[in-house]
Amino acid sequence: QQQVKQSPQSLIVQKGGISIINCAYENTAFDYFPWYQQFPGKGPALLIAIRPDVSEKKEGRFTISFNKSAKQFSLHIMDSQPGDSATYFCAAMEGNFNKFYFGSGTKLNVKP
Amino acid sequence: ETGVTQTPRHLVMGMTNKKSLKCEQHLGHNAMYWYKQSAKKPLELMFVYNFKEQTENNSVPSRFSPECPNSSHLFLHLHTLQPEDSALYLCASSQGMSQGYEQFFGPGTRLTVL
Repeated sequence: QQQVKQSPQSLIVQKGGISIINCAYENTAFDYFPWYQQFPGKGPALLIAIRPDVSEKKEGRFTISFNKSAKQFSLHIMDSQPGDSATYFCAAMEGNFNKFYFGSGTKLNVKP
Repeated sequence: ETGVTQTPRHLVMGMTNKKSLKCEQHLGHNAMYWYKQSAKKPLELMFVYNFKEQTENNSVPSRFSPECPNSSHLFLHLHTLQPEDSALYLCASSQGMSQGYEQFFGPGTRLTVL
């Protein structure tokens, strides 16, 4: 059973628009939620992460919104740029062991 | 070389071949990981090594055999693979095993099993 469900599978956004990617989980023991960005031919790279004691975390144009009661979290990319075109993965981790459960990924295409 | 490197970048093998994937990290990290990335599926953790000791084997078939001779090198030995094993195999490393230690990924090896 997939531990973390991610949507949409693909997303097309105009330059300057807002990209929104959503993830949902069931395991309430998850307590660390990172987002990874992957460009073609490269491995995933950590973009931003949040813990469930806060509802939002912002780093530059990237914001994670976290809804603990709904067991959902989302990535918002403000003022999306063509250089943001990549595949984005959400993930969740439980406890103090560096083992992630990943979502299935969202391929973002930002059109100029 | 910096970061995490993987060789080869592409590999095509028959079902009866034996091959090995190599991963090297130049970050001084203690933990290393193998992941399988298939199209439209979540990354699947395969193996975890911490200080050269295997700490996780995520129910991976025995046709995949990991080896970690030291903290900087990680191998994945492949034999009698199946076509469904075709995927991108990613190696990662982290400074520690506890939460908050970022995992740094290599570029992956694209494996095709004929």
